[in-house]
Amino acid sequence: QKEVEQDPGPLSVPEGAIVSLNCTYSNSAFQYFMWYRQYSRKGPELLMYTYSSGNKEDGRFTAQVDKSSKYISLFIRDSQPSDSATYLCAMSALRSSASKIIFGSGTRLSIRP
Amino acid sequence: DAGVTQSPTHLIKTRGQQVTLRCSPKSGHDTVSWYQQALGQGPQFIFQYYEEEERQRGNFPDRFSGHQFPNYSSELNVNALLLGDSALYLCASSLGQGDNQPQHFGDGTRLSIL
Repeated sequence: QKEVEQDPGPLSVPEGAIVSLNCTYSNSAFQYFMWYRQYSRKGPELLMYTYSSGNKEDGRFTAQVDKSSKYISLFIRDSQPSDSATYLCAMSALRSSASKIIFGSGTRLSIRP
Repeated sequence: DAGVTQSPTHLIKTRGQQVTLRCSPKSGHDTVSWYQQALGQGPQFIFQYYEEEERQRGNFPDRFSGHQFPNYSSELNVNALLLGDSALYLCASSLGQGDNQPQHFGDGTRLSIL
């Protein structure tokens, strides 16, 4: 069993829709949760990070963490064609940058104009 | 302010050869981590360098080795290349070993093994 499970998609939604991306994890030591966006032929770009259960909002993006269920989500409101990319959930056992990051396999998202 | 830069962008090698990939961290960063991303998969942690020493290592064989220089730049070396080593190799940099210092990624080196 992988430490982090993520639905690979692909997921296709119309422009303006609300998108929900999810990951589950098995290692209760994970304390620091991240979402990265990766465009084709580019490196991952950090979108959001949080280290506590609950919601964190940044513009059109909301990250949600439920440690009791070992479940994290990323919501994208008013989705735009420019949001089309692969979204990677990621987590680590420490808040320190010294901690190795464990990634999900990524969900490919396509926003239809 | 330059971000993380990696070279070369693409590389083609044959089985059994050796390869060296290079990374310059984001300005002000002193910690470099290397990841391997196979097609359709998330990045997998190879190792991390800080103060010119390997601090952590993932589940990769000894064929994978690295180095960090006094200017914080880093190299990843892979010996005896296998077909399965074909992947995107990503470098990420961060500041120190403290809290809440996210890792910033470069655009990677795409390595193809024939």
